[in-house]
This record gives sequence, C-alpha cells and structure tokens, in this order.
Amino acid sequence: GQQVMQIPQYQHVQEGEDFTTYCNSSTTLSNIQWYKQRPGGHPVFLIQLVKSGEVKKQKRLTFQFGEAKKNSSLHITATQTTDVGTYFCAGRETSGSRLTFGEGTQLTVNP
Amino acid sequence: GAVVSQHPSRVICKSGTSVKIECRSLDFQATTMFWYRQFPKKSLMLMATSNEGSKATYEQGVEKDKFLINHASLTLSTLTVTSAHPEDSSFYICSADPWTSGGAYNEQFFGPGTRLTVL
Repeated sequence: GQQVMQIPQYQHVQEGEDFTTYCNSSTTLSNIQWYKQRPGGHPVFLIQLVKSGEVKKQKRLTFQFGEAKKNSSLHITATQTTDVGTYFCAGRETSGSRLTFGEGTQLTVNP
Repeated sequence: GAVVSQHPSRVICKSGTSVKIECRSLDFQATTMFWYRQFPKKSLMLMATSNEGSKATYEQGVEKDKFLINHASLTLSTLTVTSAHPEDSSFYICSADPWTSGGAYNEQFFGPGTRLTVL
C-alpha cells in the first residue's frame, strides 16, 4: 500500500534559524496536505498542494510539491517560538481516496 | 471551516471497563469519519475508517472486537474501547473528511482528541 515518509523526525533550532521538513510518497499523489499539531493539541490544516511543481507561501512558510508529485517540503524562514509543534504531511493517492499521513517532524525552537 | 467535536476530552477508567468516545461533525454531514490513535510524541496511527450505515473498515493489527465503531448517523461516530487495559491508554483522535463524503472541503477536520487513561 501507499507509504508516506517524512524526515527528519525531530528538529531543534535556535529562534531565527530556518527549518525544513521533507515528505516522500511511495506512489504518485493526487494532492498533498500539510498539518500542524501544537503540543497537547490536535492537527490543524495548513495548506493543500495539487499541481506538479506548485509552490505556495504563507508568510514565513513555503510549501513545495515536486514535479513528479511524489515529494513535498515545508520550509519555515526565521523560526519563532510560536512555530513549535509537529508538522505532518498527508497525501491522497487519487482524488477520492483517504489521506495517508507521514510520521511527522517535531520542531522545537529555543528562544 | 468545519467543526468536529469529541467527547469526553479526558477519561480515566479502571481496567476491565468499557469506554465510549463520541465524535460529531457539527456543521456538515460526514459519511466517512476516521479514528486515530496517537502515542506521546508519535505520529497519527489510523485505526479504522467509520462508514455511515455500514461496518467500519479496520486497519491491519487493530482488533475489531476490542475497538467497536458505530457510525449511526451522518454526524456521529462512536468508538468504544471494550475491556480496557493500561496498554490502551492513549490519545484518541477522530476526524471527518468532507471530501470523501462528497463535500466541498478537501481537508480533514480533526476533533480535539480524547485522552484515555486506564488504571
């Protein structure tokens, strides 16, 4: 079955440093989504990417979808303590299928 | 966005008892809901897909008789942990997927989760 792998598992940064998490799917995806889960909270939707090579930005967050639609990345510029949490990618193999979540990357930011 | 509620948010029970957790979609109909289990600092582990009006689809390794799922209406799914043991202690999260239910949103909406502690 479809597998979605995410690295790194953990990332510790100093406030102001950049952060990137990478997501790879074993199969071509229809679309990929990113979620953020704060400590003690539940996953919250951040963004969806659909097109091959798509790049979307949300303030300091940049999301990319690979040309082959099998990988994606989330980059945070100049991290802040409010960025702390676990970031999950989740992919749909076809437009009607369920989401498959990656293992998540837990980000800690030292002030 | 859509709202999913989950009740209770926290429950402590004795070993051997059963616990029911409710998941409700508050402002949309969800023919499909998902139940996840999450261990501390770990990823979401999909337990089962709850289908309104039919049997749930369980992931490999998840005991159907242990984790009973009932999706009685378009807005409510319940997960019952039967004969709970300390190893069942975990964070259980439900989500509703409007897209697979024929809705407009493509994202999944998660409930706030239920922290189960079995003594």
